Amino acid sequence: DVQLVESGGGLVQPGGSLRLSCVASGFDLGSYWMHWVRQVPEKGLSWVSRIYKDGTRLDYADSVKGRFIISRDNARNTLYLQMNTLRAEDTGIYYCVRDLLVGTTAYDYWGQGIVVTVSP
Amino acid sequence: DVQVTQSPSSLSASVGDRLTITCRASRDISMYLNWYQMKRGNAPKLLIFAASNLQRGVPSRFSGSGSGTDFTLTITSLQPEDFATYYCQQSYIIPYNFGQGTKVDI
Repeated sequence: DVQLVESGGGLVQPGGSLRLSCVASGFDLGSYWMHWVRQVPEKGLSWVSRIYKDGTRLDYADSVKGRFIISRDNARNTLYLQMNTLRAEDTGIYYCVRDLLVGTTAYDYWGQGIVVTVSP
Repeated sequence: DVQVTQSPSSLSASVGDRLTITCRASRDISMYLNWYQMKRGNAPKLLIFAASNLQRGVPSRFSGSGSGTDFTLTITSLQPEDFATYYCQQSYIIPYNFGQGTKVDI
């Protein structure tokens, strides 16, 4: 079965850093684009970042560009999100998601979500 | 950026009802529109991709239609497990923005 399991969240002060990890199982991670999506309290879902199968293409939402870094280690079946200079508005639930392999972006598998809280 | 606007933001319905949720994109996005269902405490679930394609394992009472700027998610004969929040997402161009959600309750 396909599984995505996030870790690394928690409480951090504004300006601090966190590194999220997502361990994939049940499929070949290297065959898929992977994304991070977050759910901000009372504001719904928002796309954060994506990374190509081999890590050669990275894209970010404007709100995190220059502060977050997405990466992957296909040999370890793991996706990462390094989050620096965190702000209160980065608080939310972060999901690791797999991109459906059909020529259009859609997320067929989601992790359980990991909570990130940015507060003094 | 392409913005997507859902309507209504919430609605009340009964088991057995036919339900329609709409999503409007700020520009032509062809068929690049997805629908997700989200229940409290759980991750979203993909229902429809590319406007009208039913994701594997999703009941056939769910259907999607539309192209260009206007899209619709229809649920025929609402079931108790369908009470949830529904989101559309454009996948035409990054950032892959989501709609604000439509909460369906009893």
